[in-house]
Amino acid sequence: SQTIHQWPATLVQPVGSPLSLECTVEGTSNPNLYWYRQAAGRGLQLLFYSVGIGQISSEVPQNLSASRPQDRQFILSSKKLLLSDSGFYLCAWFPDSQAYGYTFGSGTRLTVV
Amino acid sequence: GIQVEQSPPDLILQEGANSTLRCNFSDSVNNLQWFHQNPWGQLINLFYIPSGTKQNGRLSATTVATERYSLLYISSSQTTDSGVYFCAVYNYIPTFGRGTSLIVHP
Repeated sequence: SQTIHQWPATLVQPVGSPLSLECTVEGTSNPNLYWYRQAAGRGLQLLFYSVGIGQISSEVPQNLSASRPQDRQFILSSKKLLLSDSGFYLCAWFPDSQAYGYTFGSGTRLTVV
Repeated sequence: GIQVEQSPPDLILQEGANSTLRCNFSDSVNNLQWFHQNPWGQLINLFYIPSGTKQNGRLSATTVATERYSLLYISSSQTTDSGVYFCAVYNYIPTFGRGTSLIVHP
């Protein structure tokens, strides 16, 4: 079966520290992968998407970067976190069957202190 | 880009009540989804519904693509229906509305 995994579930990091969030997909190959952020107040903001290994598109200039070192792995990183990086980070993918649509991971709640 | 508006922004119901959530979008799209974000933050895919009507238990959805809107119906609401409901429209990259926050009281 096709599943998406995201970790860690929660993270508290000091300002200026690095960040690495990981997302992996199982049961498929060459998926389109996406990173979203949800700040307080509900809106979901697309940060990055990737259509293949090493292919990253950035939607919004950020203190963040993304990488796709393997076909089913998508990583969100920062060298130095800012307070404004706090939020809920969600990884998503588009399964083989378009009849189901986008599927999201369980999310990482990041608090920068 | 495509604009997505959801209404109402907030909704409070007593258990057992019915409700209708609306999603309007500004341009033609090939795909539309409804999501439920539970209190733990997880986004659950409710319906992939680019057009027509679908039903899943107490929930149903209708999309009229030619008129650029979709409706989500919740019947006999339960406390577990509480959370935020999002509409997302897309051709390739989803654009989300700001959601409807639903609270169902016992």
